[in-house]
Amino acid sequence: AQSVTQLDSQVPVFEEAPVELRCNYSSSVSVYLFWYVQYPNQGLQLLLKYLSGSTLVKGINGFEAEFNKSQTSFHLRKPSVHISDTAEYFCAVRGGSYIPTFGRGTSLIVHP
Amino acid sequence: DTGVSQDPRHKITKRGQNVTFRCDPISEHNRLYWYRQTLGQGPEFLTYFQNEAQLEKSRLLSDRFSAERPKGSFSTLEIQRTEQGDSAMYLCASLASTGELFFGEGSRLTVL
Repeated sequence: AQSVTQLDSQVPVFEEAPVELRCNYSSSVSVYLFWYVQYPNQGLQLLLKYLSGSTLVKGINGFEAEFNKSQTSFHLRKPSVHISDTAEYFCAVRGGSYIPTFGRGTSLIVHP
Repeated sequence: DTGVSQDPRHKITKRGQNVTFRCDPISEHNRLYWYRQTLGQGPEFLTYFQNEAQLEKSRLLSDRFSAERPKGSFSTLEIQRTEQGDSAMYLCASLASTGELFFGEGSRLTVL
């Protein structure tokens, strides 16, 4: 079985400040890890993914994430956020099956 | 490549009525997924297909729910005898060979 925990339901931050959205997972096998973003009234779109190789992965819009196997984490970071980054962010894990499991999401709220 | 499309985008129905949603995945993707998303939650897996074969269904999926993918292309999700608890966003996604899901914009169901 696999699961994802996003501990923070909301993260408020001021524009141009750095941000970290936390994601921890559990799986008994090797995993693929993903971060998706959902803007209001839209579907989810991929920000970045870890399949293998370098543990630091870079995605779109200046986001990056680091896979930490010992801590079973895949935290998402951005050094300087913009108002337009306000959205819902979902971490997902895919283990031994073809079925990705999603976390409950973190709402990033960027204040001017 | 026109992306994943879902129809209708919004459906309002009375309790006890049947509803059907359609999903057209990206044409070269042979795996298609249905997820359900309620307010403040992440996508919850319902079922998935590889070509026309339905390979897995969530234990949470009531027998009022049925999904088909008759020719391995588009898929339908039918809910019979709808209940207010069925109100949610129904998301369709297809799996790329590069490992990530591509989502449609969802079909929002409101049961009165």
